[in-house]
Amino acid sequence: AQTVTQSQPEMSVQEAETVTLSCTYDTSESDYYLFWYKQPPSRQMILVIRQEAYKQQNATENRFSVNFQKAAKSFSLKISDSQLGDAAMYFCAYRRGSGNTPLVFGKGTRLSVIA
Amino acid sequence: EAQVTQNPRYLITVTGKKLTVTCSQNMNHEYMSWYRQDPGLGLRQIYYSMNVEVTDKGDVPEGYKVSRKEKRNFPLILESPSPNQTSLYFCASSFHQGPYEQYFGPGTRLTVT
Repeated sequence: AQTVTQSQPEMSVQEAETVTLSCTYDTSESDYYLFWYKQPPSRQMILVIRQEAYKQQNATENRFSVNFQKAAKSFSLKISDSQLGDAAMYFCAYRRGSGNTPLVFGKGTRLSVIA
Repeated sequence: EAQVTQNPRYLITVTGKKLTVTCSQNMNHEYMSWYRQDPGLGLRQIYYSMNVEVTDKGDVPEGYKVSRKEKRNFPLILESPSPNQTSLYFCASSFHQGPYEQYFGPGTRLTVT
């Protein structure tokens, strides 16, 4: 079974600084997708960024970027120029590319942003 | 506006009293799913549906039922709730497979006493 591990239960960052959240996953599949979701205090799950496993280029969305290391099965999220609104729980998630494809989530990293 | 709606948003009930949490999406998505979120455990899938009349168990299906009679609706039924089902529940939907983003509802906070 696929597993997703987030080894940092909590992290903090100064406003305007850069922070990297770690995620590793375990799979024997070659076709899959990786996601980072943000859950602010409102509890809404918001997609931050996605990465297709077949793409070598790391995905980028404005201040958010990933470091996708397929061989190492690592998928870290970098947040640049951190803002107070970035404070949230962040979940890394995996989805197989075919068949029943639930999202398999890590346990989350709570990010605090210090003004 | 494209969205997934859930009702109720908050519910406090007693052990054994049957309840239904509704979920509806307006994006014509084939795939719908229920997750529960518990502290320290992340989100875990309860049930999913690939299309109308097609449902299957996720990782933690015990104590839950679902149905998919219409494409847009996917209710979650607790026939006899127990305190260990106290949790935050999310409904999600997406196009069939692969990279398609799963859209999440706002969540339902359930407390069973």
